[in-house]
Amino acid sequence: DGGITQSPKYLFRKEGQNVTLSCEQNLNHDAMYWYRQDPGQGLRLIYYSQIVNDFQKGDIAEGYSVSREKKESFPLTVTSAQKNPTAFYLCASSSPSGARNEQFFGPGTRLTVL
Amino acid sequence: GQQLNQSPQSMFIQEGEDVSMNCTSSSIFNTWLWYKQDPGEGPVLLIALYKAGELTSNGRLTAQFGITRKDSFLNISASIPSDVGIYFCAGRAGGTSYGKLTFGQGTILTVHP
Repeated sequence: DGGITQSPKYLFRKEGQNVTLSCEQNLNHDAMYWYRQDPGQGLRLIYYSQIVNDFQKGDIAEGYSVSREKKESFPLTVTSAQKNPTAFYLCASSSPSGARNEQFFGPGTRLTVL
Repeated sequence: GQQLNQSPQSMFIQEGEDVSMNCTSSSIFNTWLWYKQDPGEGPVLLIALYKAGELTSNGRLTAQFGITRKDSFLNISASIPSDVGIYFCAGRAGGTSYGKLTFGQGTILTVHP
C-alpha cells in the first residue's frame, strides 16, 4: 500500500538528548513537511523540502534539523536546543503537480521529554 | 506569517444534527483544504477546493470556497458518532511558496448518541 510511515509511534527521551524521528513515504511525492502539534493548537510548520538535497525553514525551525538525502525519506532531529520538545510530530508529503496543494499525513510520533 | 481564524473552537451536538464550521483569513487564499484528525492519529484529507465559489461534497460533508477567497465553510449533515474528532481547515495564500499551507486552530466535534 502507498502511504507515509512514521516511527516510532511513541518516543521518550531524557532532557538534553538529541532524538531523530523517522518519516518515509512511497507515494513518489517530491515535497515533504514536518509539523508540530500542541494541545488545542493547529499545526505549525517546522521544516519543508520540495526536492532532494534541499530544504527550507518553516515557522518554528529553531532547535530542529533535517536532511533530505533520498526522495522517500525526511528525518527530523530534535536537538537539545529545543526548549520545549514534548509534542506530537506529524510528517506530510505532497506532489506539486499543476495547482494542487494537497498534503497527506503520516500517523505521527508523540515525543515526551522527561 | 499568514493566520487563519477557525470557528467554533468546539461543538457538542446530538447524533443526527447538522454541523457547520468556518475559516477566515486576512488575505486571499488560492487553495482551501479540510482535514479530520482522530485522537492520536494524523489528519486525513476530506475535501480540497481550488476555485472561488466552488462547492464540493464528499458523502455527508460539503465544503465551499468563499467568493471573496478569504473564507471557507464545512458542513456535516446528519452527524453520527464516528464524526467525532478535530476538523482543521488549511489554505495556501497567494504569493507563498508552493505547497506551504497555513492551518486553522481546529474545531473539536463531540457527538452524543
